[in-house]
Amino acid sequence: NAGVTQTPKFQVLKTGQSMTLQCAQDMNHNSMYWYRQDPGMGLRLIYYSASEGTTDKGEVPNGYNVSRLNKREFSLRLESAAPSQTSVYFCASSGGHDSNQPQHFGDGTRLSIL
Amino acid sequence: AQSVTQLGSHVSVSEGALVLLRCNYSSSVPPYLFWYVQYPNQGLQLLLKYTTGATLVKGINGFEAEFKKSETSFHLTKPSAHMSDAAEYFCAVSDKGGRRALTFGSGTRLQVQP
Repeated sequence: NAGVTQTPKFQVLKTGQSMTLQCAQDMNHNSMYWYRQDPGMGLRLIYYSASEGTTDKGEVPNGYNVSRLNKREFSLRLESAAPSQTSVYFCASSGGHDSNQPQHFGDGTRLSIL
Repeated sequence: AQSVTQLGSHVSVSEGALVLLRCNYSSSVPPYLFWYVQYPNQGLQLLLKYTTGATLVKGINGFEAEFKKSETSFHLTKPSAHMSDAAEYFCAVSDKGGRRALTFGSGTRLQVQP
């Protein structure tokens, strides 16, 4: 049972470099999310996609872009990485059409920007 | 906007002792409520959720939580701590009828002493 798969698991970038974090789910879920986790701040929503073809900004979208490539895949792009974007990034997905559905999380991408 | 407060960023208990992790939410309209657990270098796993109905909710690994509308609380308890319960715990909410993304508390790290 793969669930939510994130790649890569670890990455070190230099300031100004770009990269794309990949996420795929095999549960046929409509909704997908990107969060970042920083010490003492819990998880904060970057972007989410309620369904294929739609994306919306979350709490901390600046410096990020997303693409909902198809129902399975939702990628997060950093166009010009900054040290403030050093964090652990989690992708999640949920099914159904109500906000009472639990989210399923990947194992995270640990990103360091020097 | 919703907010979630978890009192105590670190809680330490002895093995076999009661575990009590506190969570309060800010909304005047009770949201959907969730507790997640995160083990080191892993993603978040759902422990339990409250949507409607019985206010005492049982989850996995012997945990339970009680929704108290009058106190806007959803505290997590376990009668007897086990070493394997050492992890970080997150309380989260989502708005009924709103977007499906979660708002998280800042997390509580539970240590279990032998």
